[in-house]
Amino acid sequence: AQSVTQLGSHVSVSEGALVLLRCNYSSSVPPYLFWYVQYPNQGLQLLLKYTSAATLVKGINGFEAEFKKSETSFHLTKPSAHMSDAAEYFCAVRGNTGGFKTIFGAGTRLFVKA
Amino acid sequence: NAGVTQTPKFRILKIGQSMTLQCTQDMNHNYMYWYRQDPGMGLKLIYYSVGAGITDKGEVPNGYNVSRSTTEDFPLRLELAAPSQTSVYFCASSTDGQRPQFFGPGTRLTVL
Repeated sequence: AQSVTQLGSHVSVSEGALVLLRCNYSSSVPPYLFWYVQYPNQGLQLLLKYTSAATLVKGINGFEAEFKKSETSFHLTKPSAHMSDAAEYFCAVRGNTGGFKTIFGAGTRLFVKA
Repeated sequence: NAGVTQTPKFRILKIGQSMTLQCTQDMNHNYMYWYRQDPGMGLKLIYYSVGAGITDKGEVPNGYNVSRSTTEDFPLRLELAAPSQTSVYFCASSTDGQRPQFFGPGTRLTVL
């Protein structure tokens, strides 16, 4: 079984500051991990994915995430926040063997202050 | 290439009414999904389909029905609307169970 915990339902940063959104997962099999972004009144878009290749994954819009098995974490970072990054971010997990159901975290809303 | 489209964008229903949420994808994806999104709860899977003619229940199927007569379309039916079904509904599709999902823009449903 898989589960996802996103720490912090809201995160606020200043423009130009580091963005760090936390995600911890639980999986009984090696996981596939995803970050999705949702802009207001839109559906989710894939930001990046980890599928057991490189542990540091680069995504769109300057975001990246590092898979740390020992910490069961997949935190999302961006060195310098931009106003356009304000959105809700969802971490998701699915097992890489059999089945396909993707479990989504509760989401973290990112606010970017000018 | 429109991706995943959903209609309507918004709808208000009275308790006990029924309606169908439409979902269409033009990417020839085999897998399609229906989720509901409630504030602070992430996405919950309602139903999914792995191909035309094949559907199965997700985490929260009660009060909903689906059909998949074609690869492109995956409508979600609410038979007797209840206030607990007030939510934002997202349809998604993927090539297979291992690929990331592509989401539609959502349908915001209010049941009064």
